[in-house]
Amino acid sequence: EAQVTQNPRYLITVTGKKLTVTCSQNMNHEYMSWYRQDPGLGLRQIYYSMNVEVTDKGDVPEGYKVSRKEKRNFPLILESPSPNQTSLYFCASSATGGGSYEQYFGPGTRLTVT
Amino acid sequence: GEDVEQSLFLSVREGDSSVINCTYTDSSSTYLYWYKQEPGAGLQLLTYIFSNMDMKQDQRLTVLLNKKDKHLSLRIADTQTGDSAIYFCAERDSSASKIIFGSGTRLSIRP
Repeated sequence: EAQVTQNPRYLITVTGKKLTVTCSQNMNHEYMSWYRQDPGLGLRQIYYSMNVEVTDKGDVPEGYKVSRKEKRNFPLILESPSPNQTSLYFCASSATGGGSYEQYFGPGTRLTVT
Repeated sequence: GEDVEQSLFLSVREGDSSVINCTYTDSSSTYLYWYKQEPGAGLQLLTYIFSNMDMKQDQRLTVLLNKKDKHLSLRIADTQTGDSAIYFCAERDSSASKIIFGSGTRLSIRP
């Protein structure tokens, strides 16, 4: 089954404790992206990657890091989480070879930083 | 920078048509999308329209694009309780590297 998986689905952590949210897709997509969703603000892009070893900042990259060592994986790293990073996070992927560029979304990771 | 705007809430009676509106600012947008988010789930693509089209129909869904006014709408005919969700309008920029999402419109259905 074609899908984007994220782990963990729920995470409660404390300020300053490094964490990684994993994202994996099995559709051989070149493009992957991380978003955060906050009430009234919709989805805001954190980082995206057009292909392996190519990453770029989105609209809200501060406090986050990503890596793209393999095509299927695109982990999101919070080196020193803060309470303002409490949010719902989505990973997404899409093909880039033309067509509608439909993005496939993971189920989301709800992060609480206390 | 680019911006996509939607109203936050819409309430319709079951069986009526729902019309969700969206405005965007990037005149170089190539694709415009409507995504649906059900409670506790990720976003799922409902439909999309290429920027050189005016209208697209897919069963109960009709998308209208007014490129001059940068206005996009989604009409859901015969709205059912299963249509309750948050609907996001989104645009992809001409470089195909970024998608900008609106804040989402929460559609609720009255009996």
